[in-house]
Amino acid sequence: EAAVTQSPRNKVAVTGGKVTLSCNQTNNHNNMYWYRQDTGHGLRLIHYSYGAGSTEKGDIPDGYKASRPSQENFSLILELATPSQTSVYFCASGETGLANTEVFFGKGTRLTVV
Amino acid sequence: GDSVTQTEGLVTLTEGLPVMLNCTYQTIYSNAFLFWYVHYLNESPWLLLRSSTDNKRTEHQGFHATLHKSSSSFHLQKSSAQLSDSALYYCALSEGYNKLTFGKGTVLLVSP
Repeated sequence: EAAVTQSPRNKVAVTGGKVTLSCNQTNNHNNMYWYRQDTGHGLRLIHYSYGAGSTEKGDIPDGYKASRPSQENFSLILELATPSQTSVYFCASGETGLANTEVFFGKGTRLTVV
Repeated sequence: GDSVTQTEGLVTLTEGLPVMLNCTYQTIYSNAFLFWYVHYLNESPWLLLRSSTDNKRTEHQGFHATLHKSSSSFHLQKSSAQLSDSALYYCALSEGYNKLTFGKGTVLLVSP
């Protein structure tokens, strides 16, 4: 069964600190995504990747970096965390190039920046 | 760019009443796919419905939706709401390259 696993599931970070959110998928999908979920904004795309070594900017990339060291792993990095980055972050994976493809999500990481 | 509009942030219903969650979209891509994802608290969002065929009804798990390209709409409906339908529902659009654009989401609360 498709599986996208995020770690940690909850994180409290200090303003100005570095935060790394990790995602692992066992679907062998080329594409992976990072979204943040906020009330009134829905799911917004931060970064995505077409495969190992590639990262692309999504709709709201400012303040975030991404890393795709392998097919299975995709990380989201907040170099200098700010309170405005308090949110729930979702990782997802999907097949390449098909508009109708289902995207599989992890259970989310709740990040609080204090 | 592409956009998806869900006009209701919150829909509250009594069990047994019909459900209709609105979704309209904008895209220049003629073969765009529309999706409904459902997100239960503390779970992963998952795919409920998808379609790219104009005027064809798509059904799954008691829900249905029909893509109307003339009005750029893909409303989610169910004939009779159940308590277990309470969740956050997202309408989403894909024009290709597997990049989804989501609406702001609609919380459906069903009460006894």
